[in-house]
Amino acid sequence: GENVGLHLPTLSVQEGDNSIINCAYSNSASDYFIWYKQESGKGPQFIIDIRSNMDKRQGQRVTVLLNKTVKHLSLQIAATQPGDSAVYFCAENSAGGATNKLIFGTGTLLAVQP
Amino acid sequence: NAGVTQTPKFRILKIGQSMTLQCAQDMNHNYMYWYRQDPGMGLKLIYYSVGAGITDKGEVPNGYNVSRSTTEDFPLRLELAAPSQTSVYFCASSLQWQDYEQYFGPGTRLTVT
Repeated sequence: GENVGLHLPTLSVQEGDNSIINCAYSNSASDYFIWYKQESGKGPQFIIDIRSNMDKRQGQRVTVLLNKTVKHLSLQIAATQPGDSAVYFCAENSAGGATNKLIFGTGTLLAVQP
Repeated sequence: NAGVTQTPKFRILKIGQSMTLQCAQDMNHNYMYWYRQDPGMGLKLIYYSVGAGITDKGEVPNGYNVSRSTTEDFPLRLELAAPSQTSVYFCASSLQWQDYEQYFGPGTRLTVT
């Protein structure tokens, strides 16, 4: 079956350090990947996305890397701030575009220590 | 734009009661979704809709029903509430076919006792 999983359920970093959150996916047909941030008590909020024809995409303080060979996705956050503390989810369109549905991973809790 | 709105924010139901979770979006999005999120878990798709009058089951549809009479509204109905339906429910929307970014509402926290 489809699987989007995360290697680390909890990541603790010092303020100012860089954070790397990892995600494994199992469906080679997936061609779109997205990262969401979910703060406590709120709905998921879009961070960044990437399509399978790219291996890297940068936003403001965030970078997503896609390695299709090993089916791995990562989110890098530069100069992590206390406001970055949240649960981060990766998701994929595991039907490869046949539907608009996303399959979500279980999430990684990022805890930023001041 | 208000984006995606959900009501109520919190609700406590007794076993066997019914209720409707409301969801509305003002972005003229064609696609709408209902998810549930259990503690420490990811999002599970309950139902989704590709447009007014069209709905389909997601991963965990049992115990729920939906309707989509307008583009804006996508209510989720629980007919006979069970403790297993205690969860946080999120509604989301996306613009069109192969536009995968979903916009989420703030969620409804439901407890069934």
